[in-house]
Amino acid sequence: AQSVTQLGSHVSVSEGALVLLRCNYSSSVPPYLFWYVQYPNQGLQLLLKYTTGATLVKGINGFEAEFKKSETSFHLTKPSAHMSDAAEYFCAVTADFNKFYFGSGTKLNVKP
Amino acid sequence: DTGVSQNPRHKITKRGQNVTFRCDPISEHNRLYWYRQTLGQGPEFLTYFQNEAQLEKSRLLSDRFSAERPKGSFSTLEIQRTEQGDSAMYLCASSGGGTGETQYFGPGTRLLVL
Repeated sequence: AQSVTQLGSHVSVSEGALVLLRCNYSSSVPPYLFWYVQYPNQGLQLLLKYTTGATLVKGINGFEAEFKKSETSFHLTKPSAHMSDAAEYFCAVTADFNKFYFGSGTKLNVKP
Repeated sequence: DTGVSQNPRHKITKRGQNVTFRCDPISEHNRLYWYRQTLGQGPEFLTYFQNEAQLEKSRLLSDRFSAERPKGSFSTLEIQRTEQGDSAMYLCASSGGGTGETQYFGPGTRLLVL
C-alpha cells in the first residue's frame, strides 16, 4: 500500500520569498510522484511529475521538485513566491497508474 | 477538446434518495478515475476504468456506490440510499492517449445530502 503525508496544512510566505511545501511518501515499490495545484472553485491541475529519469523535475509556473529516495520525499519548491501562487497544493503517489493516493493538501498563502 | 466535463455541478438531495453523476472524459483517454474529496482533505480514490473495464475499486467504497463506463466513453457514478456522510465533492479524471499518464481533472460535482 502507499500513502502520502504533507506536513503543514497551511503555509504562509511573503511575496518574493522561497516556497517550500513538504511531501513524504510511503511505497513498497518504486513510486511515481505528482504535485497538483487547485485554485479556488477550479479543478486540480498538474504542476509536475516524477516518473523516471532525472530526480529534479521542473514544472509550470517556476515550480520544481526533487525525488529523494533515501528520504522518501518529493518536496515542492519555488525560489520566489508570487501572489498568484496562492492556492492549495496536493502531492500524489502511484505505483501503477491504476490507483492514486493523495495527501491532505497544503494551502499556500502569499502575503504582499 | 474542451477537457473533462462533469454533470451536474451541484446536487442537493434528501437522505435515502439515489443520485447519479456523469463524467465525460477527454475523448482519446482510455483511463478514467473517480475520486471523492471532503473539506480539508485530498482526493480519495474510488474507482478506475481502463476503457470499459473497471480494474480497481476502493475497499472504502460501500455497496451503495456503483460506477459504469459503457463503451469506454463517458462514465456514471451512482450512489444509492444516500447518507449525510456522502456529502462531498466527486471528482472525475482521465488520462491516456497522446497525453500519457497525466490525469486531467474535471470541475467536480458537489453533493449535499440533507
